[in-house]
Amino acid sequence: AQSVAQPEDQVNVAEGNPLTVKCTYSVSGNPYLFWYVQYPNRGLQFLLKYITGDNLVKGSYGFEAEFNKSQTSFHLKKPSALVSDSALYFCAVRDVGNNDMRFGAGTRLTVKP
Amino acid sequence: SAVISQKPSRDICQRGTSLTIQCQVDSQVTMMFWYRQQPGQSLTLIATANQGSEATYESGFVIDKFPISRPNLTFSTLTVSNMSPEDSSIYLCSVVGATYNEQFFGPGTRLTVL
Repeated sequence: AQSVAQPEDQVNVAEGNPLTVKCTYSVSGNPYLFWYVQYPNRGLQFLLKYITGDNLVKGSYGFEAEFNKSQTSFHLKKPSALVSDSALYFCAVRDVGNNDMRFGAGTRLTVKP
Repeated sequence: SAVISQKPSRDICQRGTSLTIQCQVDSQVTMMFWYRQQPGQSLTLIATANQGSEATYESGFVIDKFPISRPNLTFSTLTVSNMSPEDSSIYLCSVVGATYNEQFFGPGTRLTVL
């Protein structure tokens, strides 16, 4: 069964600094990897996905993620953080051939002015 | 992308009662799921809603407690039965997009059980 880990439950960065939110995964086959963001009292919003192809994936709001097969990681990054990026971020994985998606525990990102 | 609506958006219920949550999608979808999320925490898959057959439940979830219906490809219901305060949570409907590579989520139903 697939699983995903987000080792940090909290990440704090200053506005304008680069940010990284970490994610590692475990699947039996090739993974489909996703990042979602959840703002307070809001639903989940899709940010980006990796299915195949280039290891660097660009998504919404200036976010990007790098798929690293050898390290089984899919870290979320942004070159310059905004205060409005403060939210809860979830990494998710679906194993090719499975129907459901498994989520990490979530990382709360706080960007301070 | 799929647009998903859920009813009710929130409810406060008494212990021992049941609540049925509706999920409506604006297009026909093959895969529909129900998740539970404690506020500020991760999502846990409850079950896969199968059209025309019984739902497939994850470990720790049973049909008697969370009966699910899926009469067609655009609609599903989740019932939380004989509720207790431990059932207080956000319940999310989710569907897989036509390309199978994207998964979309409804706005959620925030349930509080007193």
